Amino acid sequence: QQQVKQSPQSLIVQKGGISIINCAYENTAFDYFPWYQQFPGKGPALLIAIRPDVSEKKEGRFTISFNKSAKQFSLHIMDSQPGDSATYFCAALNTGTASKLTFGTGTRLQVTL
Amino acid sequence: GAGVSQSPSNKVTEKGKDVELRCDPISGHTALYWYRQSLGQGLEFLIYFQGNSAPDKSGLPSDRFSAERTGGSVSTLTIQRTQQEDSAVYLCASRALAGMYNEQFFGPGTRLTVL
Repeated sequence: QQQVKQSPQSLIVQKGGISIINCAYENTAFDYFPWYQQFPGKGPALLIAIRPDVSEKKEGRFTISFNKSAKQFSLHIMDSQPGDSATYFCAALNTGTASKLTFGTGTRLQVTL
Repeated sequence: GAGVSQSPSNKVTEKGKDVELRCDPISGHTALYWYRQSLGQGLEFLIYFQGNSAPDKSGLPSDRFSAERTGGSVSTLTIQRTQQEDSAVYLCASRALAGMYNEQFFGPGTRLTVL
């Protein structure tokens, strides 16, 4: 049972373009939604996160949009750069439990020159 | 300070052998997690430690998998009688318990290949 669905599986964006990755969740007990960035051979690293009491959070070129009623959230990368080429995972957790993360299946982003 | 470290970085083993994977969390982090990352899959939760106890083992896929943590620090994930479907990257993460939104910091993982 895939509790967090992520799309697309892969994405190619030109330098300077906008990268958009979408996720949808099922468990309404989730109350924290982080995005992780993973480079080859490295562990995932937290990029940005949002709580469901806000609809948008922006940090530099990275923005999370959150739609609680639709149970969807998305990551927007503005002015995408070749250094952003990585695999991105959305995740969700219920902070009332052990805070184990439930991950999406990942999106491999390639930013071309 | 040092981040989460894992060893070995790569492990190749034959089907049926036992393997041990080690995780050294960030000093002072009381929460420790093991995840598995299979090709084409997201990260799958395996087990959670709070101190030396494991209140959530719900992600362990079979009784061939076990884990322990000693001294509130180092953790070892053991896979007995390995199977080819166990091939994956095993990731460890640690978290400071104070603050429910505290970040989980991941290690680089151990890539396990079962021949």
